[in-house]
Amino acid sequence: QVYLVESGGGVVQPGRSLRLSCVGSEFTFRAYGMHWVRQAPGKGLEWVAVISSDGSKTSYVDSVKGRFTISRDNSKSTVYLQMDSLRPEDTAVYYCSKGARGATDYWGQGTLVTVSS
Amino acid sequence: DIVMTQSPDSLAVSLGERATINCKSSQSLLYSSDNKNYLSWYRQKPGQPPELLIYWASTRESGVPDRFSGSGSGTDFSLIISSLQAEDVAVYYCQQHYSTPFTFGQGTRLEIK
Repeated sequence: QVYLVESGGGVVQPGRSLRLSCVGSEFTFRAYGMHWVRQAPGKGLEWVAVISSDGSKTSYVDSVKGRFTISRDNSKSTVYLQMDSLRPEDTAVYYCSKGARGATDYWGQGTLVTVSS
Repeated sequence: DIVMTQSPDSLAVSLGERATINCKSSQSLLYSSDNKNYLSWYRQKPGQPPELLIYWASTRESGVPDRFSGSGSGTDFSLIISSLQAEDVAVYYCQQHYSTPFTFGQGTRLEIK
């Protein structure tokens, strides 16, 4: 059974930074692309970012470009989301998920980020 | 960006009856190099993360009950639940992995009639 465990969420003031982490286990982490997806309270899913298996390629949704950075450390089976210049509209549950077969086949339980003064 | 539009927004179906959810993309999701449609379906039960049901438009994920099926190609796709069970009460999403950003549909809320 694949496990993905996110951490690092919390309450932060607008304009501040936060770094999310997601540790994967029970699969060959270095072989798969990894995604971050978010869900604002009571809203639908929004894809945020993806990183290739070796970390050489990344892509972001426009609303976070220049503010968020996805990275990974395959030696630690961990993917990160560095979130800078946070805005109230970034408030959401952030999920990490594992890419496979043109989809995302496993998801973590999510970590809540609240941006509020 | 590819826009994904689901219909209906909500649906109420009796237990044991068929439920159909539609998803339309603003451009074709058929990748010519492998002849696969990069369209997937997810179920999100209340308070839980999404779970993958269908990938490549019509391939059922391992462990997913066979009452779930996916169809369609190009820009028009459907998720069919052949006989609705109580545990299928959820919000269902389609997502494209054809090009970034990998956009989702707005979701379809499925309830028991």
